[in-house]
Amino acid sequence: GQSLEQPSEVTAVEGAIVQINCTYQTSGFYGLSWYQQHDGGAPTFLSYNGLDGLEETGRFSSFLSRSDSYGYLLLQELQMKDSASYFCATNTGGFKTIFGAGTRLFVKA
Amino acid sequence: NAGVMQNPRHLVRRRGQEARLRCSPMKGHSHVYWYRQLPEEGLKFMVYLQKENIIDESGMPKERFSAEFPKEGPSILRIQQVVRGDSAAYFCASSPTGDYGYTFGSGTRLTVV
Repeated sequence: GQSLEQPSEVTAVEGAIVQINCTYQTSGFYGLSWYQQHDGGAPTFLSYNGLDGLEETGRFSSFLSRSDSYGYLLLQELQMKDSASYFCATNTGGFKTIFGAGTRLFVKA
Repeated sequence: NAGVMQNPRHLVRRRGQEARLRCSPMKGHSHVYWYRQLPEEGLKFMVYLQKENIIDESGMPKERFSAEFPKEGPSILRIQQVVRGDSAAYFCASSPTGDYGYTFGSGTRLTVV
């Protein structure tokens, strides 16, 4: 089967750093994406890793290791507004993208 | 650019009625996707369309559900004879290339009573 596994929830304090891991098992793999979704809102695209290594976009970074079928999203200088659900996703070929079940991040003051 | 437009935002249907959900992709995006999301769960792929073609409908139930993306007008997800289990948020996404970086609409929250 095809699946992406990520922790169901993570809690961190404002100003801290948090890492959300994602392991995947897919028949086809064309890179790892991350999306953010606030309660009641639409998912929004955060980042994409097509190749191994680290991609940085402001306070957010994403990492991929294809040999380990593993990636993570790193959020720095956490703010209250970062409280949301974060989904890893991958395109399995044929332009079809599947999503993990999501990690709910709670940021405490 | 208005983004991906979905309507209605909220839809209430009685069991046995039909639900029609509309999605207009971003300008210039030819790849359209429909996903379903239950509360506290992830996004489940339903169908991928391009203009006038269904490319992949492997995630869509075989009965009662259909989707189209006509040459003119929005993409439509149609659910016939709705049941309580169809209650969910339905998101449409579009992409210029189909590989990553989807833009999602605000979703239609369907409630079946």
